[in-house]
Amino acid sequence: GNSVTQMEGPVTLSEEAFLTINCTYTATGYPSLFWYVQYPGEGLQLLLKATKADDKGSNKGFEATYRKETTSFHLEKGSVQVSDSAVYFCALSGGNQGAQKLVFGQGTRLTINP
Amino acid sequence: DTAVSQTPKYLVTQMGNDKSIKCEQNLGHDTMYWYKQDSKKFLKIMFSYNNKELIINETVPNRFSPKSPDKAHLNLHINSLELGDSAVYFCASSQVVLAGGPGSYNEQFFGPGTRLTVL
Repeated sequence: GNSVTQMEGPVTLSEEAFLTINCTYTATGYPSLFWYVQYPGEGLQLLLKATKADDKGSNKGFEATYRKETTSFHLEKGSVQVSDSAVYFCALSGGNQGAQKLVFGQGTRLTINP
Repeated sequence: DTAVSQTPKYLVTQMGNDKSIKCEQNLGHDTMYWYKQDSKKFLKIMFSYNNKELIINETVPNRFSPKSPDKAHLNLHINSLELGDSAVYFCASSQVVLAGGPGSYNEQFFGPGTRLTVL
């Protein structure tokens, strides 16, 4: 079945550092890929998405490119802020298992120090 | 203008009790979900309803019973609560676009969560 693997956290960076959170997936067919963010005490919010190979999703300075050849969707940001501290989830839906089911990675906790 | 709302936000109860969590979405979506998030933040789908019909039922104890009175509501009833049921439960909704095939996707909108604590 479909699965998503994220880099283990927690990740701690200083403000203005470059961020990469790795995400790889296993799926057949044509999955769509997502990054969700969960701020402390809140629900999940969609951060960005890509629905086909080579698409780049971007939002709030974050970017991720759907790489079918490496089955990856790494999240990057050039200069992080304290307000980016949260848990980040990579997820996929679709492929041959149908579009309804959203499969999440284990989450990566990010802490940004001033 | 809350898109997906859940009640209650916090629920503290004794082992063996029966409790319900309610979810409502005003986005006009046709599919709703329940997820469980454990203490390590791992998220796992429990159920999904499409137009009031159950379409996903993961390996969940039958003490958990979802009910969808209409496509805007999906409630979760839990019987005989156990300590291991303590978690945060999230409701979500989506409008599936082109199920299957290139370009299909399923952008889900999540509620704020219900933190259930079983004592």
